Amino acid sequence: KAGVTQTPRYLIKTRGQQVTLSCSPISGHRSVSWYQQTPGQGLQFLFEYFSETQRNKGNFPGRFSGRQFSNSRSEMNVSTLELGDSALYLCASSSGGDGYNEQFFGPGTRLTVL
Amino acid sequence: GENVEQHPSTLSVQEGDSAVIKCTYSDSASNYFPWYKQELGKRPQLIIDIRSNVGEKKDQRIAVTLNKTAKHFSLHITETQPEDSAVYFCAASRGGYSTLTFGKGTMLLVSP
Repeated sequence: KAGVTQTPRYLIKTRGQQVTLSCSPISGHRSVSWYQQTPGQGLQFLFEYFSETQRNKGNFPGRFSGRQFSNSRSEMNVSTLELGDSALYLCASSSGGDGYNEQFFGPGTRLTVL
Repeated sequence: GENVEQHPSTLSVQEGDSAVIKCTYSDSASNYFPWYKQELGKRPQLIIDIRSNVGEKKDQRIAVTLNKTAKHFSLHITETQPEDSAVYFCAASRGGYSTLTFGKGTMLLVSP
């Protein structure tokens, strides 16, 4: 099976702009989770989608949003970018039936906010 | 919500030595504890996991132990090799529809 893919791999934006990141899960996986990874902070959970519904949400401001399509592909959007949003954004997919399923990560999108 | 603390943040060992990474969690309802390895520039990958009905699990050179009473779990790597150098993340979950809460990671450096 093809792995999780993310596009674009790199993005450079300026403060105040908005950005959309895309994630294509492994075929058959219905759960997609998004994480923000920064040095020293590990993997901070943003949100999880399962069958087009947001099932869980982390402690991030409302500027961070996401959605999932009927083919399980997911997008996340960050509006009004701030310098502190610079990070590696990882998505992970799982078969999603329950929280015991292995999460398969994508390569990430490196976002730089200038 | 769940809080996972991970120590140490950096660990340097000589090839052949053992390495131990420890995590504590706050939510007594957590019952699933996976470990992910992230090599430099690569994506995290699951290396081992344990559920709360098991106290220890081994897979070749790696093992995970769980102490539910103390709410901590540890990753043990024996006979370390340079290719074990990576960042290791522990995580905890209640299972069900809940998500993983990750520790902040441990950078393991194995010197030849």
